[in-house]
Amino acid sequence: DGGITQSPKYLFRKEGQNVTLSCEQNLNHDAMYWYRQDPGQGLRLIYYSQIVNDFQKGDIAEGYSVSREKKESFPLTVTSAQKNPTAFYLCASSRLEQETQYFGPGTRLLVL
Amino acid sequence: QKEVEQDPGPLSVPEGAIVSLNCTYSNSAFQYFMWYRQYSRKGPELLMYTYSSGNKEDGRFTAQVDKSSKYISLFIRDSQPSDSATYLCAMRAGGYNKLIFGAGTRLAVHP
Repeated sequence: DGGITQSPKYLFRKEGQNVTLSCEQNLNHDAMYWYRQDPGQGLRLIYYSQIVNDFQKGDIAEGYSVSREKKESFPLTVTSAQKNPTAFYLCASSRLEQETQYFGPGTRLLVL
Repeated sequence: QKEVEQDPGPLSVPEGAIVSLNCTYSNSAFQYFMWYRQYSRKGPELLMYTYSSGNKEDGRFTAQVDKSSKYISLFIRDSQPSDSATYLCAMRAGGYNKLIFGAGTRLAVHP
């Protein structure tokens, strides 16, 4: 089955700790995205990548970092600089020529 | 003012009702319009995708785009309890991959 997987489903972060969220896709999509979802605010773009070894900041990149070493993988690190990390994090992918994005199941990040 | 406005609801309807969900937007460059359905604690799934103005129908779902009014709608006929979810509109300009999302409308269909 083709699709997008995210892990873990739930993640707990201690203060001052960096944590990494995994996103893998087997759809052969070129572009991948990370969004943050907070109640009542819709989805906000954190980072996106259109090609391996290249990525761009979205609207709320501060406190986050990404890498794109493989076409299939786009991990997101929530650093200690992100002071309000509690949210639902969604990874998405698309073919560059398509206009639609397909989403993974999400990771819920909670702060201890 | 947000680029995309969507009433967060919640909207509660009886089973079998026709549901109308709406978004307004301010950017006249938007050409691609999408509706996503999101169940609680799950990722959004694409429901409908339309380009420019007009209607598109898929089963019980109809998407409408009125670019002159900067207004898009999703109609659900014969609504079912399984339609209870949050519905997100999304849109973008041509040749540019950034999607702009509405805040989502929570829908509850009760038996």
